[in-house]
Amino acid sequence: KAGVTQTPRYLIKTRGQQVTLSCSPISGHRSVSWYQQTPGQGLQFLFEYFSETQRNKGNFPGRFSGRQFSNSRSEMNVSTLELGDSALYLCASSHGTVYNEQFFGPGTRLTVL
Amino acid sequence: KQEVTQIPAALSVPEGENLVLNCSFTDSAIYNLQWFRQDPGKGLTSLLLIQSSQREQTSGRLNASLDKSSGRSTLYIAASQPGDSATYLCGREGGSEKLVFGKGTKLTVNP
Repeated sequence: KAGVTQTPRYLIKTRGQQVTLSCSPISGHRSVSWYQQTPGQGLQFLFEYFSETQRNKGNFPGRFSGRQFSNSRSEMNVSTLELGDSALYLCASSHGTVYNEQFFGPGTRLTVL
Repeated sequence: KQEVTQIPAALSVPEGENLVLNCSFTDSAIYNLQWFRQDPGKGLTSLLLIQSSQREQTSGRLNASLDKSSGRSTLYIAASQPGDSATYLCGREGGSEKLVFGKGTKLTVNP
């Protein structure tokens, strides 16, 4: 069974640009969650999508947005990039009901110059 | 605000030693407590999931326990090996944020 995949694995952007990251969950999983990991703040929850609807949202500005498609694949978009957006962005998938194990992808390393 | 704390932040042990990693959380309204390991620059690998109705889970040399009343979970690693060297993270699920993580414990097992 294939794991969670994320593309691209590495990205370099400049301030003010926008970026789109992609996450393909494990087959059969309907929930995709996104996290930002930085050395200073650690892992922080961005948002969760379930059956194409945003179900939960963390405390991030509106520049961070996402969506989920009918095949459960999800994209995350960051507009007007700032230097502080440099981070490892991780997505996790699960069946989406409570008591479900979360499985993480390898992450996308975003560097903003 | 939900908070998760992991102690110690770093731990260095000789190979073969048994060790305990600690995770504490402030809100006892919890669905799951999940332990992960993360190798440098990589994603998270799930180790153990403890549901709120459970007290512990075991997988090989790993044993995790959950005490909701005291807001604590421990990860016990038996007979540590150099390959166990990684950062160990606990994540608590139980609220509007899918998983709230601690800052992790960086474990180094010396041969």
